[in-house]
Amino acid sequence: AQKVTQAQTEISVVEKEDVTLDCVYETRDTTYYLFWYKQPPSGELVFLIRRNSFDEQNEISGRYSWNFQKSTSSFNFTITASQVVDSAVYFCALSEAHGSSNTGKLIFGQGTTLQVKP
Amino acid sequence: NAGVTQTPKFRVLKTGQSMTLLCAQDMNHEYMYWYRQDPGMGLRLIHYSVGEGTTAKGEVPDGYNVSRLKKQNFLLGLESAAPSQTSVYFCASRGPGGTQYFGPGTRLTVL
Repeated sequence: AQKVTQAQTEISVVEKEDVTLDCVYETRDTTYYLFWYKQPPSGELVFLIRRNSFDEQNEISGRYSWNFQKSTSSFNFTITASQVVDSAVYFCALSEAHGSSNTGKLIFGQGTTLQVKP
Repeated sequence: NAGVTQTPKFRVLKTGQSMTLLCAQDMNHEYMYWYRQDPGMGLRLIHYSVGEGTTAKGEVPDGYNVSRLKKQNFLLGLESAAPSQTSVYFCASRGPGGTQYFGPGTRLTVL
């Protein structure tokens, strides 16, 4: 069965600190997608990144970076020089990528609440 | 381009009442989904559809029904609401690359 675990329920940092959000996943699929979504206090779900299972190259987008390691089944998310506007709930998610029974459904972790204090 | 929209945004029901949540997308996506979000549990899949006229059960389908009569619309119905269905409901559609795009959510309270 597929499973996503975000062990950190809440994290609190002071502005300008770096913070890493952990995500560990379980799947029997050989090809799959991994995602991160942000849910700010306004409540909407904002797509941040999608990573294919066959592409382990790390990615950087501004202050955001993602470290995908298949060997440890982890897809961690780092925010560099955090800002108050980064305060949100962050979700890691997993979906199968191919196959005739591909439903594309997302399996979500429980979410990590990040609070960035000024 | 509105993306994914949901109506209503908020609703309060009494136990036993019925209601329908409407989801609409203008991206011509085949796949659509209904999730519910509860504190500490992330999002869980209720029902989904892989195309017009098709629906299937997700992880927590009991107490809900869905219909996909038109490609752009996906309806979620509660026939007899229960307090356990108090939640935030999100609709999503899936793009060709596998990414799901979510609507703004509907906050439902069942008294």
